[in-house]
Amino acid sequence: GAVVSQHPSWVICKSGTSVKIECRSLDFQATTMFWYRQFPKQSLMLMATSNEGSKATYEQGVEKDKFLINHASLTLSTLTVTSAHPEDSSFYICSAPSRAYEQYFGPGTRLTVT
Amino acid sequence: GIQVEQSPPDLILQEGANSTLRCNFSDSVNNLQWFHQNPWGQLINLFYIPSGTKQNGRLSATTVATERYSLLYISSSQTTDSGVYFCAVRQGLNRDDKIIFGKGTRLHILP
Repeated sequence: GAVVSQHPSWVICKSGTSVKIECRSLDFQATTMFWYRQFPKQSLMLMATSNEGSKATYEQGVEKDKFLINHASLTLSTLTVTSAHPEDSSFYICSAPSRAYEQYFGPGTRLTVT
Repeated sequence: GIQVEQSPPDLILQEGANSTLRCNFSDSVNNLQWFHQNPWGQLINLFYIPSGTKQNGRLSATTVATERYSLLYISSSQTTDSGVYFCAVRQGLNRDDKIIFGKGTRLHILP
């Protein structure tokens, strides 16, 4: 199956700083990638759709100025959490659809804001 | 929007038991996938099954699209089967359309 990587796998940052998370499709190209957020013992919540070469599409209630998304190439999307606060602490996961329409997920990034 | 409901929400079984997990969806879909989220958070693809039946070892899945439900069967459970099982659907025809997750079934297999 297709492989999606994420980096870093975990990060601890201080309140007020910014954190960048990378999502890469390793063996296929993805014009679209998706960013999710997951709180403990809850399901995945879609935050935004990352579109290569154009602006991301954000879900209702997600602050676009806080969660900056850049889809710089057909294999890389980045999510930057700006001015992070403790309530931004969460598990962030990206995904990309393969040519066969199957969705593949990265291993996730655990963010802790102190 | 489409609603995806999974049942049961929690399931505790003894090793060796069989189980059936259910996913109901409120509207027609063009894609349905089952995932297993392991204790480290990684989502593992189990089945891509918009319709019909598939089997992979001890796991099998059936989707009856006309009746808007899918079932995941786990036979002879092992402790490594523990984790959360998610059903996710896509309504759009385009592979870049977003998918919607159910709330998951948390499975705990006792040794």
